[in-house]
Amino acid sequence: ETGVTQTPRHLVMGMTNKKSLKCEQHLGHNAMYWYKQSAKKPLELMFVYSLEERVENNSVPSRFSPECPNSSHLFLHLHTLQPEDSALYLCASSQASGGHTGELFFGEGSRLTVL
Amino acid sequence: RKEVEQDPGPFNVPEGATVAFNCTYSNSASQSFFWYRQDCRKEPKLLMSVYSSGNEDGRFTAQLNRASQYISLLIRDSKLSDSATYLCVVLERSNFGNEKLTFGTGTRLTIIP
Repeated sequence: ETGVTQTPRHLVMGMTNKKSLKCEQHLGHNAMYWYKQSAKKPLELMFVYSLEERVENNSVPSRFSPECPNSSHLFLHLHTLQPEDSALYLCASSQASGGHTGELFFGEGSRLTVL
Repeated sequence: RKEVEQDPGPFNVPEGATVAFNCTYSNSASQSFFWYRQDCRKEPKLLMSVYSSGNEDGRFTAQLNRASQYISLLIRDSKLSDSATYLCVVLERSNFGNEKLTFGTGTRLTIIP
């Protein structure tokens, strides 16, 4: 059982839909991340929250909107997506204080298909 | 040039053989290096860190060559359970001044009985 849980595991949506991905971590970490994983591409960092503040936004289109209400929860709100946004969206957490140890704890991912 | 470059494979290796992967990185200021493992339809997990002097964890040996900017992973006496995608990961400072991990595309390994 992973310390980082993501829901839903699978999502199919039309281009005009609004949906949200949810992530919860039970590890007591204070940094959370959204990554996008597409076939034959490296993991792409989308957003980073450290101590509930967004510290990185990697030129992600505004149709993706993150929300971090507290250190244990992270959301990715989706609106008017494109078919090329279909991918596996991975949430991760780490302990940010004292510098990055290099260890991220990932959830199992939400596989998104945009029709 | 890709920030972190790996041979995507696939590597199909008989059980018991030794297999090695290399990875190159473009940022000479990169600070730390790691290998992650990702099983099919699963999330990535940290396999091991890579230290300057080289390090070993059981059947796995990781090495770093800063001068040539490459990292290697050696797996000895390979097992069926070693079948996975191995991701090379580099820690560097981002444009925002934060540390960030940059992932390679991964090398796919299949161990054949």
